[in-house]
Amino acid sequence: SAVISQKPSRDICQRGTSLTIQCQVDSQVTMMFWYRQQPGQSLTLIATANQGSEATYESGFVIDKFPISRPNLTFSTLTVSNMSPEDSSIYLCSVEAGTAFNEKLFFGSGTQLSVL
Amino acid sequence: QKEVEQDPGPLSVPEGAIVSLNCTYSNSAFQYFMWYRQYSRKGPELLMYTYSSGNKEDGRFTAQVDKSSKYISLFIRDSQPSDSATYLCAMSAISGGYNKLIFGAGTRLAVHP
Repeated sequence: SAVISQKPSRDICQRGTSLTIQCQVDSQVTMMFWYRQQPGQSLTLIATANQGSEATYESGFVIDKFPISRPNLTFSTLTVSNMSPEDSSIYLCSVEAGTAFNEKLFFGSGTQLSVL
Repeated sequence: QKEVEQDPGPLSVPEGAIVSLNCTYSNSAFQYFMWYRQYSRKGPELLMYTYSSGNKEDGRFTAQVDKSSKYISLFIRDSQPSDSATYLCAMSAISGGYNKLIFGAGTRLAVHP
């Protein structure tokens, strides 16, 4: 397993501002994932962050809106830019571990974001 | 149609009841099946993991996978108030060496004393 520290745990932000969420893992991992969890909906993958390369974004998510940094094998940030009330959600970082295909995900405790 | 369907509940049961949580899916390529438990204001935690079809038991929890019916279940025996949480099913298939998890929407469970 992996211990994942995510901060801030929650924030209330004004429309048009940006928030950067930090994710720290207690061990080196190749891939880190950023998810969004909107009320009553599935976890939705935003992007996959590999150290030393550009993040890979899922359909519906773009780098200008959700820039990601991955400076080393234990840390990543997700920025929610130019926020609107529709961005109010829980944002989660995760890493994978397990057997040959690393099929198990471990999650941080999430960032509850409210945009006014 | 969503790839993974899960009844959102809420499901309310008395302490000691047997709970059955279910998901259906449409992608026959899914090979790995997981159940995550998420307490309020916490991230999901991996509860059960199953590869391919069959049953897996861990204490009061049993996970079942029926690939022929594209149906997975999680049973909780002797449910406790501490089991009150949202339960998310998740599944994945290996694609080009990369494993992408698809989650259900989650079922809220409340176990009352």
